[in-house]
Amino acid sequence: QVQLQESGPGLVKPSETLSLTCTVSGDSITSYYWSWIRQPAGKRLEWIGRIHASGNNNYHPSLKSRVTMSVDTSRNQVSLMLRSVAAADTAMYYCARDQRVIVPAEVGMPYFYYYMDVWGKGTTVTVSS
Amino acid sequence: EIVLTQSPDTLSLSPGERATLFCRASQTVGSGYLAWFQHKPGQAPRLLIYGTSSRATGIPDRFSGSGSGTDFTLTVSRLEPEDFAVYFCQQYGSSPNTFGQGTKLEIK
Repeated sequence: QVQLQESGPGLVKPSETLSLTCTVSGDSITSYYWSWIRQPAGKRLEWIGRIHASGNNNYHPSLKSRVTMSVDTSRNQVSLMLRSVAAADTAMYYCARDQRVIVPAEVGMPYFYYYMDVWGKGTTVTVSS
Repeated sequence: EIVLTQSPDTLSLSPGERATLFCRASQTVGSGYLAWFQHKPGQAPRLLIYGTSSRATGIPDRFSGSGSGTDFTLTVSRLEPEDFAVYFCQQYGSSPNTFGQGTKLEIK
């Protein structure tokens, strides 16, 4: 049974870099894409981005300039870095496993769609001096 | 990006009753790629439904999903005590993936 556990500093200073790790147990990290999602208190969930062990990634356009995700296959971990944080980045952060749906195209590359089938419990990050 | 609006914000029902939750999209959700999740405090969100109507592994058949285009529904046919939680929808038919604001299903 796959389990995901987010970890990292609960408090980050403004303008610094938020760094979180998602440790995956019960499954190989190389077989899937992995997403990060966040939820500020009282607001809806926001997808941050996803990454594969191959390095393929896709980030939310509004966060793309500040986000880097990476995969450590030796530790079965996925990492998130968010640079130049501000109070608006205060949130619960989740990692999730993506299931991929492949839809053949009439011409060219197929289309790929991803839904999140297993989530971690999340970790709270507060941005404050 | 697609905005998902769920209704109602809060639904008060008793065990044994039927719950109907709605998720409306600001534009057509491609190929019906809409999922529903259950979330309880301190727990990981749990996938219930994907692709509008496919139940995830281990999900009881009292949970069902339907809809198309911009309007989607999650139905819990007969509420059990453990079903009281927050439910949210998510579309993955276009990028960026987006989520609804959630519906809290509470005990009446």
